[in-house]
Amino acid sequence: GAVVSQHPSWVICKSGTSVKIECRSLDFQATTMFWYRQFPKQSLMLMATSNEGSKATYEQGVEKDKFLINHASLTLSTLTVTSAHPEDSSFYICSAQNRGRETQYFGPGTRLLVL
Amino acid sequence: DAKTTQPNSMESNEEEPVHLPCNHSTISGTDYIHWYRQLPSQGPEYVIHGLTSNVNNRMASLAIAEDRKSSTLILHRATLRDAAVYYCILVAPYSSASKIIFGSGTRLSIRP
Repeated sequence: GAVVSQHPSWVICKSGTSVKIECRSLDFQATTMFWYRQFPKQSLMLMATSNEGSKATYEQGVEKDKFLINHASLTLSTLTVTSAHPEDSSFYICSAQNRGRETQYFGPGTRLLVL
Repeated sequence: DAKTTQPNSMESNEEEPVHLPCNHSTISGTDYIHWYRQLPSQGPEYVIHGLTSNVNNRMASLAIAEDRKSSTLILHRATLRDAAVYYCILVAPYSSASKIIFGSGTRLSIRP
């Protein structure tokens, strides 16, 4: 149980285009989902927290107009990187949490390369 | 957010026990102690968590000091597949705004 999937697993895009990453909880309802970014040799950095049906809460320094987050259902959240640039190239990871539980379950990650 | 302190790296031999320490001297009375691990090029994987008592599951054991200011993750018999970065994280009781912050973790290497 507690499986989280991400799609795509990797994506290469041209600078200036937008990329959408999906995060799904497969066998539980995720009242809260989190989006992280990880650069090589570094730890995970929390980007935003989203509760189903509400606007996402972004961490300081994360541009909400650049990283659009939608959490329209209890099993799906999406992260859209708008007008991607090479510095947005990174490993993006989502996690999902069920109401009343402290444990987060993580997706396998999406590797984004912007040329 | 209460912080944790872990050694940057550790090495162990295959098939031997591994004890991964974590200090969390500013832990609050309601914080849970969670351990996750991240294998190369993968998302983090939940390992174990506890509040006050020691915990065991099929992956590992968690020993929590009586004053809760430190804890130790125990892998009873390390395999090559246990090579990963291990994160010790304090997690507040669930709320709609709860979040976890990752530190730098301990990079565990396993010698064949």
